Amino acid sequence: DGGITQSPKYLFRKEGQNVTLSCEQNLNHDAMYWYRQDPGQGLRLIYYSQIVNDFQKGDIAEGYSVSREKKESFPLTVTSAQKNPTAFYLCASSSIPGARDTQYFGPGTRLTVL
Amino acid sequence: AQSVTQLDSHVSVSEGTPVLLRCNYSSSYSPSLFWYVQHPNKGLQLLLKYTSAATLVKGINGFEAEFKKSETSFHLTKPSAHMSDAAEYFCVVITGNQFYFGTGTSLTVIP
Repeated sequence: DGGITQSPKYLFRKEGQNVTLSCEQNLNHDAMYWYRQDPGQGLRLIYYSQIVNDFQKGDIAEGYSVSREKKESFPLTVTSAQKNPTAFYLCASSSIPGARDTQYFGPGTRLTVL
Repeated sequence: AQSVTQLDSHVSVSEGTPVLLRCNYSSSYSPSLFWYVQHPNKGLQLLLKYTSAATLVKGINGFEAEFKKSETSFHLTKPSAHMSDAAEYFCVVITGNQFYFGTGTSLTVIP
């Protein structure tokens, strides 16, 4: 089955720790995206990548970092600099870089900072 | 400015009655418009999309939406609600190379 996988589904971390969220796709898509979802706020773009070894900041990149060493993988690191990291994180991909193509979403990772 | 507004944060309907979820957008360009559905603790699933073809777009699970340029609207409808339709719905507007998510409408279906 083609699709996007995110792991883990639930993640807990202590304050001051970095944590990495996994996102893998086997759709052969060039573009990948990370969003953060908070109640009542819709989705906000953290980072996106249109091609391997390239990525761009979204609207709320502070306190986050990404890498795109392989086409199928786009991990997100939530650093200790992120002031309010508890949220639901969604990864997405699209076949065509740029925003016009349909984005396909993974199942999400819920991060809770204790 | 480009943006999308979902006019209702919560909508409740009885099972078997029509569903209307409203979305208005502002755009300087010819937009692409999407509706996604999200069930609790799940990712977003595409319901339907408009990309400048037919203005009435049919999607999955009996949903459809009509693009009305004069009203800058892209409302989502379904003739008869089912219990499984209870979820969060997001309208997404894409103009140029920018995409904008609405804040979501939570649909409750009452048995």
